[in-house]
Amino acid sequence: DQQVKQNSPSLSVQEGRISILNCDYTNSMFDYFLWYKKYPAEGPTFLISISSIKDKNEDGRFTVFLNKSAKHLSLHIVPSQPGDSAVYFCAARPANAGGTSYGKLTFGQGTILTVHP
Amino acid sequence: ETGVTQSPTHLIKTRGQQVTLRCSSQSGHNTVSWYQQALGQGPQFIFQYYREEENGRGNFPPRFSGLQFPNYSSELNVNALELDDSALYLCASSLGFQPKGETQYFGPGTRLLVL
Repeated sequence: DQQVKQNSPSLSVQEGRISILNCDYTNSMFDYFLWYKKYPAEGPTFLISISSIKDKNEDGRFTVFLNKSAKHLSLHIVPSQPGDSAVYFCAARPANAGGTSYGKLTFGQGTILTVHP
Repeated sequence: ETGVTQSPTHLIKTRGQQVTLRCSSQSGHNTVSWYQQALGQGPQFIFQYYREEENGRGNFPPRFSGLQFPNYSSELNVNALELDDSALYLCASSLGFQPKGETQYFGPGTRLLVL
């Protein structure tokens, strides 16, 4: 039962263009969503997050959009840079799970982003 | 301030053996979570420890167990290893009750191969 799905295993874009990574979820109890980036031989690093009370959060070149009715979120990277080439995971956390619930994340399968110079 | 470290980096075991993986949390962090990442999949939550107590567990059998020590470092133990236990094991630390606890800091992982 895959509660968080990233249906695109890979994405290839040209440097300077927009990268759009998509994520769908099925569990209505999720209320907080995060994106992580992972380079080979390193652990995932936090990128950006969004609460279910918002529909957009922006941080520099990275913007996350949330469509609660569609249970869909996306990560936009503009402009894309070769250093952005990595595996991107979306993750979700349930509501009202307590102060120590932050670790109980459900991850998608990941999308490999390749940005060509 | 040191980041999250894990040891060993790689490990080869045979089916039926037992393994212990170690994690040192980031300075000041009191919560440690363990994840299993199979090849081509996202990390799956195994369990979380907060102040030396298990606080939540994912869908993993009891042969997966853990410990957290007073300095908040942690161990993951897996008994009776199976071939499907071959994976990257990630440890992540965070502040359980602090506002920035919503982000976790992951270690580089331990890659376990079971033959």
